[in-house]
Amino acid sequence: DVKVTQSSRYLVKRTGEKVFLECVQDMDHENMFWYRQDPGLGLRLIYFSYDVKMKEKGDIPEGYSVSREKKERFSLILESASTNQTSMYLCASTDRWAGDEQYFGPGTRLTVT
Amino acid sequence: RKEVEQDPGPFNVPEGATVAFNCTYSNSASQSFFWYRQDCRKEPKLLMSVYSSGNEDGRFTAQLNRASQYISLLIRDSKLSDSATYLCVVTLLNSGGGADGLTFGKGTHLIIQP
Repeated sequence: DVKVTQSSRYLVKRTGEKVFLECVQDMDHENMFWYRQDPGLGLRLIYFSYDVKMKEKGDIPEGYSVSREKKERFSLILESASTNQTSMYLCASTDRWAGDEQYFGPGTRLTVT
Repeated sequence: RKEVEQDPGPFNVPEGATVAFNCTYSNSASQSFFWYRQDCRKEPKLLMSVYSSGNEDGRFTAQLNRASQYISLLIRDSKLSDSATYLCVVTLLNSGGGADGLTFGKGTHLIIQP
């Protein structure tokens, strides 16, 4: 079974803090994704990566950056957290190509106060 | 702008009934289609892919209508455990064969009532 894990289920940070969200997958998948999910807005793609050290902006990259130094790990960074970044963050990975079935992690609920 | 639209519901349906909902997409070049299921406070999980010829998996049937640009999901003999949010997903392929956009609908909330 594919397993995608995220470093925290719940996180509370203060405005202006630097925040790291970690995602690890154990199936040697090429592609990894970061989404945020908000009520009424659905899932929105922040960034994705199709290879180590490669990254592509999604629909809402502003205020975020990512890092993929190893194939299994994809990190989302909030350089200076703001209250409008309070959300559920979901990581996903896919094999072969980015349009294949997405396997999601359990999510990190981030609250920025 | 790629868009995928779903009726958010909620659809309140008695147990045992048949329920169907659609998802429309705006980009005619869309290539792949999926239905995902998301339980409350859980991550989305693939329910089924949607093939051009339509496909069935037990009580679930998915269909694609390219001419009208929508996909549908039909659930027969609905169970209490079918209560969830159903997300449709549409992908485009770029010239390199990779996905050039994977767009999730906002989901349809289904509540099966005893």
